[in-house]
Parts: sequence; structure tokens; C-alpha cells
Amino acid sequence: LAKTTQPISMDSYEGQEVNITCSHNNIATNDYITWYQQFPSQGPRFIIQGYKTKVTNEVASLFIPADRKSSTLSLPRVSLSDTAVYYCLVGLNSGYSTLTFGKGTMLLVSP
Amino acid sequence: GAGVSQTPSNKVTEKGKYVELRCDPISGHTALYWYRQSLGQGPEFLIYFQGTGAADDSGLPNDRFFAVRPEGSVSTLKIQRTERGDSAVYLCASSPGTGVPPDTQYFGPGTRLTVL
Repeated sequence: LAKTTQPISMDSYEGQEVNITCSHNNIATNDYITWYQQFPSQGPRFIIQGYKTKVTNEVASLFIPADRKSSTLSLPRVSLSDTAVYYCLVGLNSGYSTLTFGKGTMLLVSP
Repeated sequence: GAGVSQTPSNKVTEKGKYVELRCDPISGHTALYWYRQSLGQGPEFLIYFQGTGAADDSGLPNDRFFAVRPEGSVSTLKIQRTERGDSAVYLCASSPGTGVPPDTQYFGPGTRLTVL
């Protein structure tokens, strides 16, 4: 399973754009990149998923360069409620794939 | 539609007791996963079901842990002779399991288990 590396923590202020970059140098050809968000006392919540280039949904954007060795989750105009742990994972390249979570990135949004 | 649900939300037990944790997956999802999350750590894989069968139980820490999914829907994680080290949040996830990637997993809220 590909290992991912992401910052332990990040700080931001309300209204700013936040970019969290994840490195996954050993990503396999068929691996997808998935980001989850987790609030205290809740299960991880699916945010966004992609394979290459750029993916955008109502919550975030995901930028994946051509070599796919990294990816960047972009959260536009964060609010206090975006304070959470964000996990980057690679895999899901078949009908079944367990997920290997790291410690994630703790994002703290301040007023 | 309804997401993954888990019961109870909290469970406090004494060392040595037996506990059961229940997971109701998203309707129609054939794949079901159990994870365990300790404080400050990411979730750790325990076991995976495809339908009624446990396809991968390599994450179960020892033989005190067991899980079933008799009808291919609801699953129960069973822990015998609980130890204080079993205290954690137990998360359940389900995915469509159609064999077409990506097989995105959706998580429940978890059961917080405390062993005194």
C-alpha cells in the first residue's frame, strides 16, 4: 500500500484559502487519491477523490500533477467549522481495498 | 439516503467482560469494513467482509476479536475478555463492492468503547 506524507498541522483564518499537500511517491498506476475529513467524536467523512488532473466539488478541489506523486486538497474560504483532521489516502484500485490511514493534518481555523 | 449507523454510540465495560458492537451499512453495499481508532491516531483496519464472508481479517489483533455478518448486511464485532488496551473508537465503513474502482468507503459515527 502506498505511504502518504502530509503536514501534522496547519493554521488558517476564516475566509482564507487553505491548501494541504500530500506526498505519495509510491502510488501505483491504478491507485485513486481520496481525502477524508474527521471531526472529533465522528467517523471520517468523504470529501473528494481523484485519479489525475483536477477534480472539484461543492466542498473542495483536488489538484493532482501529471506524475501523481503528490496531491493538493484546496479548501476555499474556510470557516471555523472546517477545523478538523484531514486524511489523504491512496488505493481503492480494485473492487476491494483496505485503507491505510496516517495521522492526518490537523487544520485549525481561527476567527 | 441513510448512512452507516453504529450502535451503541458509547459502551463502558469492565475488564474481562464480553462486548458486541453493531454496524448497519448503507443499503445495497456489499462490502463492509471495521476499523479501530485510538486517540490521536488514524483509523486502523481490522476486518473486511464481502457479502457474508470475511475476506480479510488480517487486522484483528488477536483471537479475542471476532466479527460476523450472517446475512450480508448488519455486522457485529465481538470482543471477548476485554482488556483496558481495547479502549478505542471502533469505526465501521461500507462500500458498494461492485468490483469497479474506486470503491469509496463511507464511515459510520463509531462506537466509543471504554474498558475500566
